[in-house]
Amino acid sequence: SSELTQDPAVSVALGQTVRITCQGDSLRRYYASWYQQKPGQAPLLAIYGNNNRPSGIPDRFSGSSSGNTASLTITGAQAEDEADYYCNSRDTSGSWVFGGGTKLTVL
Amino acid sequence: QVQLQESGPGLVKPSQTLSLTCTVSGGSVTGGDFYWSWIRQHPGKGLEWIGYIYSSGSTYYNPSLKSRALISVDTSNNQFFLKLNSLTAADTAVYYCARGEDGGAYHFGYWGQGTLVTVSS
Repeated sequence: SSELTQDPAVSVALGQTVRITCQGDSLRRYYASWYQQKPGQAPLLAIYGNNNRPSGIPDRFSGSSSGNTASLTITGAQAEDEADYYCNSRDTSGSWVFGGGTKLTVL
Repeated sequence: QVQLQESGPGLVKPSQTLSLTCTVSGGSVTGGDFYWSWIRQHPGKGLEWIGYIYSSGSTYYNPSLKSRALISVDTSNNQFFLKLNSLTAADTAVYYCARGEDGGAYHFGYWGQGTLVTVSS
């Protein structure tokens, strides 16, 4: 099965814009989905497909994709956005795969 | 609103088989095109997909588990299950059940709260 690679940690100043990326061969064929996970909580779907946001997710969250890279962008990061973020996709073998996660710190 | 709730033992001995139940409310495990899935998270680590049972009954597993996992469904009680055998300490993790779907992109829209399973003698 293919892998999805994420930077382990990213930081952003309060109110600034941050991009979290996810790379993998499967992303050339399948869209990624993105999950936010805060300590002690289950993951929460933040973005899926071609920039689709579930209800309740603020519009400062957006997604994009190019080639083998998917990106989650937070425009105007807030303190409550500090969390771990995971990308996820399906690969050509039929497996579902997660990236290793990115810890976002809001300074 | 779809809700999922995991249940099972919090402590299991090495070499034994783990049995977990996910009870689904607000939706049917046989309706629609959904991938009823198990996902785990080792302490302080990332998410690992274990496998799914599709609404049609077909199953698919993470090859890394080397055929130790088995997922089944009880349509009468709207539950699905995970059995994981030959446990070792490396199977200590929070286990989540989730509903996967393909709405333009494969994603898990609904998750249970997770249940911590510790493998220890």
